[in-house]
Amino acid sequence: VQLVQSGAEVKKPGASVRVSCKASGYTFTGYYIHWVRQAPGQGLEWVGWINPNSGGSNYAQKFQGRVAMTRDTSISTAYMELSRLRSDDTAVYYCATWGTRGFDYWGQGTLVTVSS
Amino acid sequence: SSELTQDPAVSVALGQTVRITCLGDSLRSFYASWYQQKPGQAPIIIIYDKNNRPSGIPDRFSGSSSGTTASLTITGAQAEDEADYYCHSRDSSAFAVFGGGTKLTVL
Repeated sequence: VQLVQSGAEVKKPGASVRVSCKASGYTFTGYYIHWVRQAPGQGLEWVGWINPNSGGSNYAQKFQGRVAMTRDTSISTAYMELSRLRSDDTAVYYCATWGTRGFDYWGQGTLVTVSS
Repeated sequence: SSELTQDPAVSVALGQTVRITCLGDSLRSFYASWYQQKPGQAPIIIIYDKNNRPSGIPDRFSGSSSGTTASLTITGAQAEDEADYYCHSRDSSAFAVFGGGTKLTVL
């Protein structure tokens, strides 16, 4: 199992960012993909999940209205788009599969920097 | 409450036993799991469903839970165990909630 995320991004406040997570080594539609972020020097924060099979999603209340999670099953890739970026959105964003044990497999992380 | 509380830092002498705790109301209803994160790396799961270890995780790691407290115990801590440890649980209002993390130093 491997989750490979897109590269680092630098955005201005108010802009949007889209991070991708390409899955391989398992059936993409078989496991939910979650997004978790980590601000510099801080702890883990759950952002939300997407069901790659149905496309359904669920977001943490804090991000509702600003986040959208989508997927393209033809290329086994999940996406997370965060809009109206603020400086406190600066963080490493991880995708992770949710399996029988919990967050089984993680991507390598994508650093999103929000700065004017 | 959707919060899980951990001590920010704990230290242990090499080869000794250390317990890392996690407090939260959600732990009455949902099992805790534990993740280890080393600098510059993604977290890895080390304990799930209170006290189960994925394959490849040394048996010196164990978990337990009572009431609103979950614990991760490392019996015979090794230098390579120095890392940040996060507890995780479900919550009635959120799918996932993490503790603030505990930085473990092995002396």
